[in-house]
Amino acid sequence: QKEVEQNSGPLSVPEGAIASLNCTYSDRVSQSFFWYRQYSGKSPELIMSIYSNGDKEDGRFTAQLNKASQYVSLLIRDSQPSDSATYLCAVTRNSGGYQKVTFGTGTKLQVIP
Amino acid sequence: EPEVTQTPSHQVTQMGQEVILRCVPISNHLYFYWYRQILGQKVEFLVSFYNNEISEKSEIFDDQFSVERPDGSNFTLKIRSTKLEDSAMYFCASRAANYGYTFGSGTRLTVV
Repeated sequence: QKEVEQNSGPLSVPEGAIASLNCTYSDRVSQSFFWYRQYSGKSPELIMSIYSNGDKEDGRFTAQLNKASQYVSLLIRDSQPSDSATYLCAVTRNSGGYQKVTFGTGTKLQVIP
Repeated sequence: EPEVTQTPSHQVTQMGQEVILRCVPISNHLYFYWYRQILGQKVEFLVSFYNNEISEKSEIFDDQFSVERPDGSNFTLKIRSTKLEDSAMYFCASRAANYGYTFGSGTRLTVV
């Protein structure tokens, strides 16, 4: 089982719709969860972090975490063509006193004008 | 906003040559990383560095690779005897405790 699993997509949504991106992780002791956006040919950019169960909202983005189900999601409201990118889920856990970060393979999002 | 700086942005090298990729992490960050991304593939962990030593390395990070923090600001990745399959985007990242990474803009390495 992959440590961090994402559907590779592409996920296509019309402009103005809600895009829902999902991520599951295998390690129950994972502590911190992040979403990164990566445009083609560019480096990943941190857009959301979440540490406790529930929802966290930042502008058009909402991260949702359910540790019991080992599931984290990202909702993008009012999707814009500029949101078209690959979204990487990242999960951290302690490993011998050091925090290890593992990335998923990413979900490619296409927002159709 | 603080940035992670990587140089060069693009490096072309002949197979078998050595390359050094350079990074200047954010100054108050404690953890440093190198990742690579082969075109069209996922971001792959290479190595992490904390307290002036390697904390963890992946199976990709074999004897061909080494990292150094030669002074208080630079963090380098050396690849000896480059192979064609080393062609990729190499990202440096740094972070403070319990925060997400800040990535540099990357160095595109092309081995010919």
